[in-house]
Amino acid sequence: AQSVSQHNHHVILSEAASLELGCNYSYGGTVNLFWYVQYPGQHLQLLLKYFSGDPLVKGIKGFEAEFIKSKFSFNLRKPSVQWSDTAEYFCAVTAYSSASKIIFGSGTRLSIRP
Amino acid sequence: DAGVTQSPTHLIKTRGQQVTLRCSPKSGHDTVSWYQQALGQGPQFIFQYYEEEERQRGNFPDRFSGHQFPNYSSELNVNALLLGDSALYLCASSDRDRGAQETQYFGPGTRLLVL
Repeated sequence: AQSVSQHNHHVILSEAASLELGCNYSYGGTVNLFWYVQYPGQHLQLLLKYFSGDPLVKGIKGFEAEFIKSKFSFNLRKPSVQWSDTAEYFCAVTAYSSASKIIFGSGTRLSIRP
Repeated sequence: DAGVTQSPTHLIKTRGQQVTLRCSPKSGHDTVSWYQQALGQGPQFIFQYYEEEERQRGNFPDRFSGHQFPNYSSELNVNALLLGDSALYLCASSDRDRGAQETQYFGPGTRLLVL
């Protein structure tokens, strides 16, 4: 069965610090990978997605993620965080053969100190 | 362009009751998926509807059922509510024609509290 692991439950950073959130998935076949973000009081929004091609994917608001197939990882990065990046971040995966069912990780809460 | 909408925003029920949640997909989308998000957890897939039929289902009991209407909107029904059903219920819509590149867009959710 597919699963997604986000090892950092809560990350606290100061503004302008660099960010990397870890995500590992468990599935033997071809996958699609996503990062979703949930800002306080707002609905779940798509940050970026990977289907195929260049393993370095750029998303909205300066975020990027790198797919490393050999490590089953899809880590999220941002070179300089802002206070407005405070949110819950979810890594998610779908099997290429079953794109309907999204498997989410348990989320990482990111707190940015002004 | 309206995004995914859900109603109601909040709901309080008691154990044993039944509840119906509603979802309207984003314009141009024909597929609706439902997720349950318990506090402090990631969303869990309940099922997906396309062409008015349930196409795929997650590990949820038969107490959870749904429906999709010809205008692509959808309902989620939960019977015999348990305390553990308290959660945020999310609806997501997508365009089935995208195939393996299907991307789901989420609504604001309905927060259900079972007492």
